[in-house]
Amino acid sequence: QTVVTQEPSLTVSPGGTVTLTCASSTGAVTSGYYPNWFQQKPGQAPRALIYSTSKKHSWTPARFSGSLLGGKAALTLSGVQPEDEAEYYCLLYYSDAVVFGGGTKLTVL
Amino acid sequence: QVQLQESGPGLVKPSETLSLTCTVSGGSISSYYWTWIRQPPGKGLEYIGYIFYSGSTNYNPSLKSRVTISVDTSKNQFSLKLSSVTSADTAVYYCARASFSDSSGRTFDYWGQGTLVTVSS
Repeated sequence: QTVVTQEPSLTVSPGGTVTLTCASSTGAVTSGYYPNWFQQKPGQAPRALIYSTSKKHSWTPARFSGSLLGGKAALTLSGVQPEDEAEYYCLLYYSDAVVFGGGTKLTVL
Repeated sequence: QVQLQESGPGLVKPSETLSLTCTVSGGSISSYYWTWIRQPPGKGLEYIGYIFYSGSTNYNPSLKSRVTISVDTSKNQFSLKLSSVTSADTAVYYCARASFSDSSGRTFDYWGQGTLVTVSS
């Protein structure tokens, strides 16, 4: 069974920069996995942030960016704001399946 | 602005069938993929499956034997049925719009607010 792995938790200071990563048990993540990133705050539905590795939705703040880094998908937040504290999930598309990562709890402290 | 709204019973008995409907407003159900995702309390997201407006489907292999997703284009709705439920199926169930285009991108862009379904006698 395919497993997508994220850091369980990360902490960042306001105004700082942090990178979250997303790894696949099948090997290196490439653009062919069309990595997606979602933000979820307590009691809310997930909100789409990044799709197809680095594309932004119209509502995605400029401080969020997506990339491939060292065989993983990556989400970078630059100039972190207190309201960025949330759970972040990645999603990868496989040939016959769609798999979410376990999520990263980002604390802004 | 596309909006999705889940509806259905909040309580289902063990061994019975969970049934949910997602109503799409602000846009046509045609030309997109329509998906179900769930989230057990305090846990992560799990993809359940999708249906294309034409009727083709894809299901999570771990749930495939129990899942049916259908679409009613005349009502701009799609539905989920999950049979033989147990307490492990207790979760918030979300519906979402998805695209699987190689050229314009693959994404789950619009989500419903989610509905909690509890499996208990």
